[in-house]
Amino acid sequence: AQSVAQPEDQVNVAEGNPLTVKCTYSVSGNPYLFWYVQYPNRGLQFLLKYITGDNLVKGSYGFEAEFNKSQTSFHLKKPSALVSDSALYFCAVRVEDKFYFGSGTKLNVKP
Amino acid sequence: EPEVTQTPSHQVTQMGQEVILRCVPISNHLYFYWYRQILGQKVEFLVSFYNNEISEKSEIFDDQFSVERPDGSNFTLKIRSTKLEDSAMYFCASRTGRRNQPQHFGDGTRLSIL
Repeated sequence: AQSVAQPEDQVNVAEGNPLTVKCTYSVSGNPYLFWYVQYPNRGLQFLLKYITGDNLVKGSYGFEAEFNKSQTSFHLKKPSALVSDSALYFCAVRVEDKFYFGSGTKLNVKP
Repeated sequence: EPEVTQTPSHQVTQMGQEVILRCVPISNHLYFYWYRQILGQKVEFLVSFYNNEISEKSEIFDDQFSVERPDGSNFTLKIRSTKLEDSAMYFCASRTGRRNQPQHFGDGTRLSIL
């Protein structure tokens, strides 16, 4: 069965510090991996994706993610967090044409 | 930038009533989706739709649910006889025909069943 795990319900980080939001996955075949962000009362907003190629993927708003095949992980990172990055972050894996989402991680960036 | 739009933003319905949630996908997109998010829980896939037919559906998408693309722009989700447990945020998404492109989501409809 396909699955995505986000082991942390919440991540707290001070503004200006680096942040990491963790994601691991379990899929059959090659994974297509995505990160989305959700602000309050809004839909999911695409951040970045990994399909193939370079393991370090750069996306919107200074975010990047590192694909690690041996650890089946796709952690989201940002070198310097902003208060405005505070939101709910979802990792997703696409299998065929269906998306499987993680349970979400709430990122709190404190000034 | 073009957006997926959903109406209404909040729908309140009595249990047992039919409800139709409406979505206008991005105009050149070919694949359409519905997801739901029960409060505090993960986003769950319901159904995908391409070329005027359902291409995949989850076990959640039972006979009470149906989807339709009645014209060239709208994509609707109908729940025939709503249950309390249908209360959730419902998100519509669409994508282009090119493989591996991300799905673009609307802001959702909050469905409250009383």
